[in-house]
Amino acid sequence: SQTIHQWPATLVQPVGSPLSLECTVEGTSNPNLYWYRQAAGRGLQLLFYSVGIGQISSEVPQNLSASRPQDRQFILSSKKLLLSDSGFYLCAWSPRGGGNEQFFGPGTRLTVL
Amino acid sequence: AQSVTQLDSHVSVSEGTPVLLRCNYSSSYSPSLFWYVQHPNKGLQLLLKYTSAATLVKGINGFEAEFKKSETSFHLTKPSAHMSDAAEYFCVVSGYTGRRALTFGSGTRLQVQP
Repeated sequence: SQTIHQWPATLVQPVGSPLSLECTVEGTSNPNLYWYRQAAGRGLQLLFYSVGIGQISSEVPQNLSASRPQDRQFILSSKKLLLSDSGFYLCAWSPRGGGNEQFFGPGTRLTVL
Repeated sequence: AQSVTQLDSHVSVSEGTPVLLRCNYSSSYSPSLFWYVQHPNKGLQLLLKYTSAATLVKGINGFEAEFKKSETSFHLTKPSAHMSDAAEYFCVVSGYTGRRALTFGSGTRLQVQP
């Protein structure tokens, strides 16, 4: 069966520091991968999606970037965090050529102080 | 274009009573529709999905939803609420746009009173 991991689970970082969040998927090949942010009391905002290694599409201009160095690894990064980057970050995957549903990881709670 | 409207931001029920969470959608495509549940500080779990087969969809934990094209609705129901059902619920629509985009509703927080 497929599983999706995210780490760290929680992170507290000062403004201006760098960020690296990691997501890995097991049990499937060539997945579509997604990064979402969920701000407090709000819905999910799609940040990035990837259909293959090195292929990243950005949904909104912002302080963040994403990379996919391996088929089942998706990384969210920032060079300098802003207060507004605080939130709950969720990684998700969907099967290539399969149904439209996405399967979510456990999330990372990021607090920028 | 596609959109989802969850008609209630908060719903409160007593344990053992029925649950109704309302969702209306719009989509230029023949949509796929989903309900996800999120417990505090957890990821989202897929409850059920509609993909143009049976209009009444059964999901996990006793939840079900009925797709009504004429009303553009996909309401989530459960006959008897349990304390563990307290969570945030998201109605989601998907239309194929090349990247299998999902559009999320704003969420409904379900409280279950003892």
